[in-house]
Amino acid sequence: AQSVAQPEDQVNVAEGNPLTVKCTYSVSGNPYLFWYVQYPNRGLQFLLKYITGDNLVKGSYGFEAEFNKSQTSFHLKKPTALVSDSALYFCAVRGESTSGTYKYIFGTGTRLKVLA
Amino acid sequence: NAGVTQTPKFQVLKTGQSMTLQCAQDMNHEYMSWYRQDPGMGLRLIHYSVGAGITDQGEVPNGYNVSRSTTEDFPLRLLSAAPSQTSVYFCASTYGTRFNEQFFGPGTRLTVL
Repeated sequence: AQSVAQPEDQVNVAEGNPLTVKCTYSVSGNPYLFWYVQYPNRGLQFLLKYITGDNLVKGSYGFEAEFNKSQTSFHLKKPTALVSDSALYFCAVRGESTSGTYKYIFGTGTRLKVLA
Repeated sequence: NAGVTQTPKFQVLKTGQSMTLQCAQDMNHEYMSWYRQDPGMGLRLIHYSVGAGITDQGEVPNGYNVSRSTTEDFPLRLLSAAPSQTSVYFCASTYGTRFNEQFFGPGTRLTVL
């Protein structure tokens, strides 16, 4: 079965420290992976994606993510956390559907809280 | 571009009522989808469409209908609302290839009493 797991409901980090938000996936075929951020009462916004190539992907707002095929992980990282990074983060994978098309599967989300 | 728009922003229904959540995009995106967001459950796919005239079921399709008569519009119909359908609903669209990210609308907060 195709799935995405975000093992932490919440991550707390002090401002200025590095942050990591974890994501693991299970998908048949090549994994196409995405990270999105959601601020309160807003829709999701795209941060970055991995399709192929370099395992370290850089995205918006200074975020990056490391793809690890052997560990089936796609962790989101940022070297220096800001209070304004506090939000809900979703990992997603593009999976194949039984009808031969494709669909996006989301994790349950991780709430990031950056403490001043 | 207005991007992905959703109406209404808020809605309160009584059990058994029907309604349609509207979603439109002006980016000529072929792929559109509907999700519901519930606390602790992330985003769950309700229905999706890879182009006009083509729709498919997601993880939680029961109680919802969709149609896609144009590229721009992808309405979601609740046939007979139930309290279990209280949720925040998001519409999203994607351009072209299978590797592109989704653009999300601002959401509709639905309460069923």
